[in-house]
Amino acid sequence: DTGVSQDPRHKITKRGQNVTFRCDPISEHNRLYWYRQTLGQGPEFLTYFQNEAQLEKSRLLSDRFSAERPKGSFSTLEIQRTEQGDSAMYLCASSSTGTGHTGELFFGEGSRLTVL
Amino acid sequence: AQSVSQHNHHVILSEAASLELGCNYSYGGTVNLFWYVQYPGQHLQLLLKYFSGDPLVKGIKGFEAEFIKSKFSFNLRKPSVQWSDTAEYFCAVFYSGTYKYIFGTGTRLKVLA
Repeated sequence: DTGVSQDPRHKITKRGQNVTFRCDPISEHNRLYWYRQTLGQGPEFLTYFQNEAQLEKSRLLSDRFSAERPKGSFSTLEIQRTEQGDSAMYLCASSSTGTGHTGELFFGEGSRLTVL
Repeated sequence: AQSVSQHNHHVILSEAASLELGCNYSYGGTVNLFWYVQYPGQHLQLLLKYFSGDPLVKGIKGFEAEFIKSKFSFNLRKPSVQWSDTAEYFCAVFYSGTYKYIFGTGTRLKVLA
């Protein structure tokens, strides 16, 4: 397994357009997290899944944002009607709750969104 | 609300200087504590972690951190930094009651050769 992968790595879009990011976690990891990171800030929690269930959403996640993990494997994060304030790095991380796992997060490279 | 604070936003040191980065977190029951590092142009990587036992934990590249429960702190230390330690360092806390990982705002370290 090569780790957490995210696609696309970079996305430039015009304000008002919709964008979708995909995250493929480490295959045996049952937890998947989405974070947003802007310059000079730490990763801000957006949402997380345990298997296919979305267990929590941050208040940062407005109704323009939706995330899914339909089969408990890959996840998508969609932003509708993008705004310039959505410009950020969107990070995906996965972890395992299985026996012997330490619960650390494994991060992907991130998807950088620029909204013009 | 659960929160993590890092006291130093930017640190500049000369090579061989000692490093200590502060991290404090708000009470929230049982926690696991982490330090992550992000080298320029790379993704976040785990530096070290604390789950239980000895409050002084050692990580990669000579880093260590001490968990002081009474102070809700988990400070990162390195006796002698190298130019290659130039990176951004994030403290993170996993609150087991809510399954949330909360990150601090990060400390940008620059080591001068």
